[in-house]
Amino acid sequence: GEDVEQSLFLSVREGDSSVINCTYTDSSSTYLYWYKQEPGAGLQLLTYIFSNMDMKQDQRLTVLLNKKDKHLSLRIADTQTGDSAIYFCAESLSGNTPLVFGKGTRLSVIA
Amino acid sequence: DGGITQSPKYLFRKEGQNVTLSCEQNLNHDAMYWYRQDPGQGLRLIYYSQIVNDFQKGDIAEGYSVSREKKESFPLTVTSAQKNPTAFYLCASSMAGVDTEAFFGQGTRLTVV
Repeated sequence: GEDVEQSLFLSVREGDSSVINCTYTDSSSTYLYWYKQEPGAGLQLLTYIFSNMDMKQDQRLTVLLNKKDKHLSLRIADTQTGDSAIYFCAESLSGNTPLVFGKGTRLSVIA
Repeated sequence: DGGITQSPKYLFRKEGQNVTLSCEQNLNHDAMYWYRQDPGQGLRLIYYSQIVNDFQKGDIAEGYSVSREKKESFPLTVTSAQKNPTAFYLCASSMAGVDTEAFFGQGTRLTVV
């Protein structure tokens, strides 16, 4: 079955880079996503990557995909206090199939 | 503005009562989903629907029911058979095809009192 694993907590100092890691088991996953959730709110899509890509960069965000190891990472450059949130990794087979989520990584940014 | 709306934001239910959570989208998305979020558990899929008048059970469908009579609407009923309904419920929608993403509502927090 599908499974997505993430570490639960990460703490960084303001201005440093954050790296959140994720591993998944379903090799047929086509789409891999990173979502951000602030307290009491829904999920906001940060970025996604297709399985045929190795890297995607969008401003302060860099996603790296190692398909052989089924490992996905999200790097946030120059982390700010406003980046404090829970970050979810998710996978899906296609655009209209359910996403399978990891348990989320709580990022705490220390000023 | 296009988006996905959940209501109410907070909901209280007495034990033994059924309650219905609303989810409406005006994005013309084909697929809609319901997830349940508990602390430390991530998001777990309850039900999903890829087309009107059709839906499938997710991983934790027991004690829940849904309907999909209109493309825009996918209400979730939490029945009295759901033994531990207190949670944060999230609705999402997406379009079939490539280069697509799932959009989420702001969630409904259900508390059993």
